[in-house]
Amino acid sequence: GQSLEQPSEVTAVEGAIVQINCTYQTSGFYGLSWYQQHDGGAPTFLSYNALDGLEETGRFSSFLSRSDSYGYLLLQELQMKDSASYFCAVRDQAGTALIFGKGTTLSVSS
Amino acid sequence: EPEVTQTPSHQVTQMGQEVILRCVPISNHLYFYWYRQILGQKVEFLVSFYNNEISEKSEIFDDQFSVERPDGSNFTLKIRSTKLEDSAMYFCASNPRDSYNEQFFGPGTRLTVL
Repeated sequence: GQSLEQPSEVTAVEGAIVQINCTYQTSGFYGLSWYQQHDGGAPTFLSYNALDGLEETGRFSSFLSRSDSYGYLLLQELQMKDSASYFCAVRDQAGTALIFGKGTTLSVSS
Repeated sequence: EPEVTQTPSHQVTQMGQEVILRCVPISNHLYFYWYRQILGQKVEFLVSFYNNEISEKSEIFDDQFSVERPDGSNFTLKIRSTKLEDSAMYFCASNPRDSYNEQFFGPGTRLTVL
């Protein structure tokens, strides 16, 4: 089966940089995805890494190390609107379903 | 921008009743999913659907659940004989071919079983 571990909560101030880590155990690996979910909202795709290294999308970057079964989401120049839950996810080994971690709640204060 | 839509936004039902949750995936997408999220917990996969049939399902998706694509646009989740523990947010999602990691989620239906 698959399991993902990420911190439950992270706090930061506006303008800061925060890193949300994710370690995973999977039988087969098809990449690591990151989703954002605001309170009461739907998960929204942020980023995906299939290969080792850093993927940058504006203020958000995601990193993957397949040898360490580890990835992280880096959020720069934090804004209040970044307060949300962030989930790492892997694909189910058998098909296309996503298996999510328990999520990290990010609180950004002024 | 196209989006996944879901109805109703909130459904309240009595234990033992049947409910049908409706979704309209993005029109050119081929893969459809139902996920659920119990309040404060992680998003859990229920079932995936491709080419008019179930492609995979989780242990949660037992005989109480069924899915259907009754026409070219709607995708439904039926829960027979609802239980208190079925109370959750149910999300529909879809993706086009070969984009399995970037799934597009609908706004969800909050199901409350009393």
